[in-house]
Amino acid sequence: DIQMTQSPSAMSASVGDRVTITCRASQGISNFLAWFQQKPGKVPKRLIYAASSLQSGVPSRFSGSGSGTEFTLTISSLQPEDFATYYCLQHNSYPHTFGQGTKLEIK
Amino acid sequence: EVQLVESGGGLVKPGGSLRLSCAASGFTFSSYDMKWVRQAPGKGLEWVSCISSSSSYIYYADSVKGRFTISRDNAKNSLYLQMNSLRAEDTAVYYCVRREGMDVWGQGTTVTVSS
Repeated sequence: DIQMTQSPSAMSASVGDRVTITCRASQGISNFLAWFQQKPGKVPKRLIYAASSLQSGVPSRFSGSGSGTEFTLTISSLQPEDFATYYCLQHNSYPHTFGQGTKLEIK
Repeated sequence: EVQLVESGGGLVKPGGSLRLSCAASGFTFSSYDMKWVRQAPGKGLEWVSCISSSSSYIYYADSVKGRFTISRDNAKNSLYLQMNSLRAEDTAVYYCVRREGMDVWGQGTTVTVSS
């Protein structure tokens, strides 16, 4: 099974900060990676697919990069509504696996 | 509007069974692979099972293999998850999700396994 190691597991930041979250795959997954945002009590929302493609309707301050085993999600300028938990997902092979999540909190 | 609506969750005793359903609308259901993903209270997301568009291939997480059965009825635009031999650790919100990249999620249905 492919393990997805997401870091950091939690972080605090301020409005306007640039934030980067990393996911490392235990083996190559090409670009079969997606990023999700989940707010408390809400359904996960896809932000990025195919590692770097922005989901329709998602603000352009969100971006994704990477291929193979190392991937990043960047928020260029944090907004109040961005404080949430973020997950990566690999869907290159079964079982599909999520990272353990990054909880982004207000500093 | 593309929509997935789950139902069938509830409280069940350990060893019991439940059948979850997911009604799809707003897209050609028969063209998409479908999945179940779950989230235990206060925990992260866990992929549970996947079924291809024509039911020709099916996969399960090791944690549910042999106990859960995924199925679909394309004529009814519906996805199902039959859950048998339920355990406390199966307690979670269960989401119905569309396609490999998980672009559309239902609102979830809560399964609680407790005596």
